[in-house]
Amino acid sequence: DQQVKQNSPSLSVQEGRISILNCDYTNSMFDYFLWYKKYPAEGPTFLISISSIKDKNEDGRFTVFLNKSAKHLSLHIVPSQPGDSAVYFCAAYSGGGADGLTFGKGTHLIIQP
Amino acid sequence: EAEVAQSPRYKITEKSQAVAFWCDPISGHATLYWYRQILGQGPELLVQFQDESVVDDSQLPKDRFSAERLKGVDSTLKIQPAELGDSAMYLCASSLGRSEPLHFGNGTRLTVT
Repeated sequence: DQQVKQNSPSLSVQEGRISILNCDYTNSMFDYFLWYKKYPAEGPTFLISISSIKDKNEDGRFTVFLNKSAKHLSLHIVPSQPGDSAVYFCAAYSGGGADGLTFGKGTHLIIQP
Repeated sequence: EAEVAQSPRYKITEKSQAVAFWCDPISGHATLYWYRQILGQGPELLVQFQDESVVDDSQLPKDRFSAERLKGVDSTLKIQPAELGDSAMYLCASSLGRSEPLHFGNGTRLTVT
């Protein structure tokens, strides 16, 4: 049972526009959320995170929004650049038990010129 | 920037053979993780270490997989015997602690024939 869901396997966005990647979760024990970016043949790279006590965190072109009541978070990239083309993973920490991250299946973002 | 080192980058082995992967985490990172990523899926936690102790190995197929981190620094993941379904990317990650971002290595791509 997928506890972290990324329902869009791929997303195509024009260069310069906003990219919005979505993530839903089912485990109410999740209290810390992260986004990772992955290029082919490389390991995932940490992008941005948000604690459950916040509803927004911003870092340059990247902003993550958290809606706890809806168990939904989103990553906004503005403006989108060609180097942003990659697979993006949403991940979450649980407030109890072991500390390993639970990942979604990923969304392949394609930035078109 | 310090990196998580993994070797080998690629490994091809025949089924029923033994295979081993090595990981050297970022210096000072007490927590080490092994993840498996099947193509089209997100990384799945296999085992988590805190120093030399296993914190979580609930998803590790213990009949064929073993992991150790004897001195609390580098770690080895072994599969014996390998099966066709073990073909995947094996990722090692380390972190300073809970709710800290995981830093991933570039992984070992395993192909079992």
